[in-house]
Amino acid sequence: AQKITQTQPGMFVQEKEAVTLDCTYDTSDPSYGLFWYKQPSSGEMIFLIYQGSYDQQNATEGRYSLNFQKARKSANLVISASQLGDSAMYFCAMREGVGSARQLTFGSGTQLTVLP
Amino acid sequence: DAGVIQSPRHEVTEMGQEVTLRCKPISGHDYLFWYRQTMMRGLELLIYFNNNVPIDDSGMPEDRFSAKMPNASFSTLKIQPSEPRDSAVYFCASSLAGVLLSGNTIYFGEGSWLTVV
Repeated sequence: AQKITQTQPGMFVQEKEAVTLDCTYDTSDPSYGLFWYKQPSSGEMIFLIYQGSYDQQNATEGRYSLNFQKARKSANLVISASQLGDSAMYFCAMREGVGSARQLTFGSGTQLTVLP
Repeated sequence: DAGVIQSPRHEVTEMGQEVTLRCKPISGHDYLFWYRQTMMRGLELLIYFNNNVPIDDSGMPEDRFSAKMPNASFSTLKIQPSEPRDSAVYFCASSLAGVLLSGNTIYFGEGSWLTVV
């Protein structure tokens, strides 16, 4: 079974509008972390935001916020006031376990295009 | 601070040749990961090291692939002999260990774009 599911292969948004990128996850581990990465056309993977499974509040980093709904196992990324430079592939990822590092499991990604 | 540094950024090689990709993790990070990204399979973990010791190499596709970490600041991923289906972007990443805290994310290098013709 897929551990991370991103159901939107591509999304379009008008500049200055907000956009939500969906991510659902599957784990039986009570301790996990959820990450979002941005991959522009140049190829590098840029860390955006993190949400821990025990965090009481939704994570925010500048224009990025994570809409964490634990019961639904969803961790959607919200980008406010979209900019042309936000056009990129966005990956949701999960890391399970406490006490030692584990690998990240990635979703298939969502290609976001910001329209002028 | 310097991030994860990978070389070469781009490599074009002929089938059958040996390819060596190099990585310098972030100083102080004790976990190092090698990922491969393709259109068909997305991002997949090949191998990861903890304190220079390989912990999980179950993602290494074949015996043609090998990885080493001779010290805390250097790792290599070698493909010998290379095949066209090895064409992909290979990412090195590093992380601190410990509990899941926001500071312990995995940081990626810029990737090595490999084309085998």
